Amino acid sequence: QVQLVQSGAEVRKPGASVKVSCKASDYTFSSYGISWVRQAPGQGLEWMGWISPYNGNTKYAQKLQGRVTMTTDTSTSTAYMELRSLRSDDTAVYFCARTSFLGYYFEYWGQGTLVSVSS
Amino acid sequence: EIVLTQSPGTLSLSAGERATLSCRASESVSSSFLAWYQQKPGQAPRLLVYGASSRAPAIPDRFSGSGSGTDFTLTISRLEPEDFAVYYCQQYVSSPYTFGQGTKLEIK
Repeated sequence: QVQLVQSGAEVRKPGASVKVSCKASDYTFSSYGISWVRQAPGQGLEWMGWISPYNGNTKYAQKLQGRVTMTTDTSTSTAYMELRSLRSDDTAVYFCARTSFLGYYFEYWGQGTLVSVSS
Repeated sequence: EIVLTQSPGTLSLSAGERATLSCRASESVSSSFLAWYQQKPGQAPRLLVYGASSRAPAIPDRFSGSGSGTDFTLTISRLEPEDFAVYYCQQYVSSPYTFGQGTKLEIK
C-alpha cells in the first residue's frame, strides 16, 4: 500500500533552517505530486506548497515565498521541504501528502514531523 | 484567497445518531473542487471525500458529501465510536488551497 515515511522531529533556533524528508513507496513516485501541509499546535491545517517529481515544477503559498524550497530525488523516491529563517510561529507538525492527479487534494499522508523553533 | 468557514465548531452527538457538518466558502468553489478529511489526535488527516461528493477508496458508505457553489455538507448517517474526531473541508479550486478551521465531533 502507498506509504509516505517522514524524517524525525527537529529542534531549531530562530533564524536557522530545517529540511524535512518524505520517502514514498509502493507507487510510481514521478506520477504524483507531493504537497506539504503544516499544523501549528492545536490549530488547523495550512497548505505550504506542491512539487511535481516528474519535472520539478513547484507552487508555493505566497506567505512562504522566499523562505521555502521543495525538491525531490527520483532515484530514492524522496521529497524534501526546506524552510529557512525560522521563527517561533513556524513551530508545527509538517506533513507531506501525495496529491491527486485530478486536483490538489491529498490522497495519502505521511505521519508528520514536529519542528520546534525556540531560543 | 478563498476562506472556508465550518460550522458548528463543536458537535456533540451519541453513537448511532446522524451528524451534519457544514462548510461555507467565501466565493464559489467551481467544479465542486472540495474535499473533506478526518483527523484523530496524534494522527495525520485522512481523505474522506473529494469532488464534493465522491468517497475516497475504503471509506464507509455512512460518509457522504454534498453541495455546490459556496455551501457544502458532510453527513455521517449513523455515528460509530471511531467517527469521533475533527473534520476539515478543503478547497482546491485556486491557490492557496485552503482548509476550514475544523469541526470537532465529540461524544455526548
